Amino acid sequence: EDQVTQSPEALRLQEGESSSLNCSYTVSGLRGLFWYRQDPGKGPEFLFTLYSAGEEKEKERLKATLTKKESFLHITAPKPEDSATYLCAVRTSAGGGTSYGKLTFGQGTILTVHP
Amino acid sequence: NAGVMQNPRHLVRRRGQEARLRCSPMKGHSHVYWYRQLPEEGLKFMVYLQKENIIDESGMPKERFSAEFPKEGPSILRIQQVVRGDSAAYFCASSHGQVGIYEQYFGPGTRLTVT
Repeated sequence: EDQVTQSPEALRLQEGESSSLNCSYTVSGLRGLFWYRQDPGKGPEFLFTLYSAGEEKEKERLKATLTKKESFLHITAPKPEDSATYLCAVRTSAGGGTSYGKLTFGQGTILTVHP
Repeated sequence: NAGVMQNPRHLVRRRGQEARLRCSPMKGHSHVYWYRQLPEEGLKFMVYLQKENIIDESGMPKERFSAEFPKEGPSILRIQQVVRGDSAAYFCASSHGQVGIYEQYFGPGTRLTVT
């Protein structure tokens, strides 16, 4: 069974204090790792997709990296508006062929950035 | 904004009533996914549909839950004879359906409360 584990469960940072969130996974053949941001009362907002070990993607203060067993979301000089729950998910084939498959999510990391 | 639309945003039902949740995918998307987020739990996959076809319903409870995505109109998640344990946020996501494009974009969710 596919498993996704995120750590830490919660992270409190001061504005400008850089850090990283971890997502480790156990899957039978990774077909994409996805990062989302979710604000309270809202739906997840897509951030990045990574497909192969060594791949990196950047967007503003966020940078996502991927190895064969885990992904990191690096946050550089965070601001209070970066406070949210960050979700990691892996894409699982729904049965082969051309089907595009469900996402299996981790529990998320709640990030709080204090001014 | 041609994002994923869900309605209603909030739905209150008494035990035993039926709940119907609607989802209109993002423009140009032909694949729809439903996820459930229970209080204090992560997002869990329920069902994956293409137009007029259920591709994967491995996450759907065996009884009382059904989903459809007709040729015309929105996707519907139907919960019959609701119970208190069905209270949750239900999110719909859509994807393009083209090979190589696997990102899923989420709607704002429907928050179901069963009294």
